[in-house]
Amino acid sequence: AQSVTQLDSQVPVFEEAPVELRCNYSSSVSVYLFWYVQYPNQGLQLLLKYLSGSTLVKGINGFEAEFNKSQTSFHLRKPSVHISDTAEYFCAVTLGQAGTALIFGKGTTLSVSS
Amino acid sequence: DTAVSQTPKYLVTQMGNDKSIKCEQNLGHDTMYWYKQDSKKFLKIMFSYNNKELIINETVPNRFSPKSPDKAHLNLHINSLELGDSAVYFCASSQIAGGRGEQFFGPGTRLTVL
Repeated sequence: AQSVTQLDSQVPVFEEAPVELRCNYSSSVSVYLFWYVQYPNQGLQLLLKYLSGSTLVKGINGFEAEFNKSQTSFHLRKPSVHISDTAEYFCAVTLGQAGTALIFGKGTTLSVSS
Repeated sequence: DTAVSQTPKYLVTQMGNDKSIKCEQNLGHDTMYWYKQDSKKFLKIMFSYNNKELIINETVPNRFSPKSPDKAHLNLHINSLELGDSAVYFCASSQIAGGRGEQFFGPGTRLTVL
């Protein structure tokens, strides 16, 4: 079975500082990896995904993530955050087969202050 | 032109009542899902339908019954509501062929049981 661990439940940072949100996964088979963002009282929006190919993937809003198979990690990074990046971030995995569910981590709250 | 829509957005009801949440997607996807987000923001799959057939049925009380009248709709009916059913319910959809697991989420329905 697959599982996802987000190592930090809360990450407070100052505006324009870099940030890394950590995600580790466990799976005996190949998986697809995702980062979703949830702004207050809204649904989930896809930030980026790793399906195959280059291990460094770029997403929306200046975010990027690196897939590391040996460390089973998929950490999310942004070189300079804005107040508007304050949100809940979820790492997720799936086998990608028909109807397979996303398995989510418990989320990381990113709080950006000025 | 909303991709995945849910109604209602908010639902407040008394214990013991029966209620339904509706979901529609206009993306032409084959597969639809219901996820539950609890008060700690943890997201967990409840059901998955592919071409109107039930694929995933997680350990959910049988008071919850999904219904898919066609590929574009997946409704969730809940009987005899309990306090513990209070949560945000998200509908999602994905395309099998070429989708490779990416799911698109609706805005959520916040259910409050009093």
